[in-house]
Amino acid sequence: SYVLTQPPSVSVAPGKTARITCGGDNIGDKSVHWYQQEPGQAPVLVIYYDSDRPSGIPERFSGSNSGNTATLTISRVEAGDEADYYCQVWDHSSDSHAIFGGGTKLTVL
Amino acid sequence: QVQLQQWGTGLLKPSETLSLTCAVYGGSFSGYYWSWIRQPPGKGLEWIGVITDSGSTNYNPSLKSRVSLSGDTSKNHFSLKLTSVTAADTAVYYCARGRPALILWGQGTVVTVSS
Repeated sequence: SYVLTQPPSVSVAPGKTARITCGGDNIGDKSVHWYQQEPGQAPVLVIYYDSDRPSGIPERFSGSNSGNTATLTISRVEAGDEADYYCQVWDHSSDSHAIFGGGTKLTVL
Repeated sequence: QVQLQQWGTGLLKPSETLSLTCAVYGGSFSGYYWSWIRQPPGKGLEWIGVITDSGSTNYNPSLKSRVSLSGDTSKNHFSLKLTSVTAADTAVYYCARGRPALILWGQGTVVTVSS
């Protein structure tokens, strides 16, 4: 089955740029969606269809997807961005189902 | 504003059946895809399955033999049943709307399986 690979953790200083990757075989051929999850809260969609932002998500959040890697980029990182981030695709190769990456803990130093 | 509110049994014994319901408030059940996702303590997200307003379903292959989703358009809600639970099914369970992106999420329900 299809596997999405994320780094367990990423650290960044406030005001800098954080990049969280999501690796998968030819993931550039799929649509990737990203979720932010703060402790004790439900996940929130921050990027869909690789690079679109839902209403209410700051422009500091952006996404890209090409080849075998999709990337969530957070510019001008703030302390409030510290959270777990998950990538997700919908796999149509067999029974249509959703797949999540293992998640990345973003730490703001 | 559309909200998802979920409820169900929070404490189960091994071999029992988990049953959760998710209600759609401020919007319609029709015309959307509805999923269940779970998150074991300290771990990542695992997709369980999806149901459409017409009752079509797809399940995570790893859970397919134990999972059943159903929907009720008249009551604007959908439900999850997971049979023969074990401690490994202990998790926070979420309902969500959307496909391929999960745009709107419920608040989560803690389910603990313990003898």
